[in-house]
Amino acid sequence: QVQLVQSGAEMKNPGASVKVSCKASGYTFTSFGVSWVRQAPGQGLEWMGWISAYNGNTNYAQKLQGRVTMTTDTSTSTAYMELRSLRSDDTAVYYCARDRGGYCTGGSCPGWFDSWGQGTLVIVSS
Amino acid sequence: DIQMTQSPSSLSASVGDRVTITCQASQDISNYLNWYQQKPGKAPKLLIYDASNLEIGVPSRFSGSGSGTDFTFTISSLQPEDIATYYCQQYDNLRTFGQGTKVEIK
Repeated sequence: QVQLVQSGAEMKNPGASVKVSCKASGYTFTSFGVSWVRQAPGQGLEWMGWISAYNGNTNYAQKLQGRVTMTTDTSTSTAYMELRSLRSDDTAVYYCARDRGGYCTGGSCPGWFDSWGQGTLVIVSS
Repeated sequence: DIQMTQSPSSLSASVGDRVTITCQASQDISNYLNWYQQKPGKAPKLLIYDASNLEIGVPSRFSGSGSGTDFTFTISSLQPEDIATYYCQQYDNLRTFGQGTKVEIK
């Protein structure tokens, strides 16, 4: 069965970086994309960005441009999300999700998240 | 950026009631709209994709409709296990979520 397993909780100081991993299994990793979604405490879902596991193309949410980098390692079917210059309002649960858009993110390409990781809590505090 | 506006932000209904949530896009997104259910402490779960297609394994009491800018999500007969927050999400241009609707039992 499709499974996404994320790395464990992290506590970081303001200004530091965090890198969260998401190991996929149960499907052909390069046939799909991976989106990252975060959720601040008591708040809604915020889409952070997408990466094609096929060719490594990325699209990021405008508000995170310049601070976020998404990568994949196809040899281990693992996706990574690095967020830099952390602030207290980056405190959230970070989810990876299998994105049906494997090659593109336009409306003519599928764009739903049909499997999710368990979430990784990142706390930013001094 | 495409903005998604859900309403209401919360609702309370009785078991067996019909529940309806709306989602409005800031521009025409055709049928590029999905719905998710999130229970406390859990990852979201896909219920509906492409506005009206039921994900495999999702009970038929859940349904979706709409196109363009206005969309509706319906639970035909609310069950206790449906207590959750529901989100719409567009994918016409990148991805954006609505702010969520919390559904409670009266």
